[in-house]
Amino acid sequence: AQSVTQLDSQVPVFEEAPVELRCNYSSSVSVYLFWYVQYPNQGLQLLLKYLSGSTLVKGINGFEAEFNKSQTSFHLRKPSVHISDTAEYFCAVNFGVDSSYKLIFGSGTRLLVRP
Amino acid sequence: ETGVTQTPRHLVMGMTNKKSLKCEQHLGHNAMYWYKQSAKKPLELMFVYSLEERVENNSVPSRFSPECPNSSHLFLHLHTLQPEDSALYLCASSQEGDFRSYNEQFFGPGTRLTVL
Repeated sequence: AQSVTQLDSQVPVFEEAPVELRCNYSSSVSVYLFWYVQYPNQGLQLLLKYLSGSTLVKGINGFEAEFNKSQTSFHLRKPSVHISDTAEYFCAVNFGVDSSYKLIFGSGTRLLVRP
Repeated sequence: ETGVTQTPRHLVMGMTNKKSLKCEQHLGHNAMYWYKQSAKKPLELMFVYSLEERVENNSVPSRFSPECPNSSHLFLHLHTLQPEDSALYLCASSQEGDFRSYNEQFFGPGTRLTVL
């Protein structure tokens, strides 16, 4: 079955430290990958996406992610976090032609940035 | 208005009430979605409408009734809800071709529903 796994439910980190939020997905011939961020009391906002081309994708707010096909991963990284990055982060995958319009979401990772 | 809007932002209702959630997208998209977001659970896809036709209903109880009168508006009618239905209800939209799209979805801010 198609699945998206975010193993870390919460990641605490100090301000200005680097962070990596992990996302793995079940193997598929083609995938289209997204990271969304949700701030308190708000909807989901697209951070970045991988559709094709370069496996290193840059998004808003200094975030980037790398698509690794052999490891079926799409980890999100930021070299130096700010307090304002505290939020919930969701990885989502479109498993390609057979899955048409559907996005499968991971369970989310809460990033908690401490001063 | 831009993007995807949802009203109301907060709703408290009793189990015997009837209420409706409204979603409007200003992006010219042709597909709209309802999701349920409960604490400690992944996002649950409830309904999908494409070109105003319902294309997915993920075993959602009949006390939730969606309506899509046109490609810009989506409603979720609520009737005889249970306390466990309390959650954040998110609406999203996307541009679909023949369903073979990358499906980047744009989300509204959600309606926080509390059922007493």
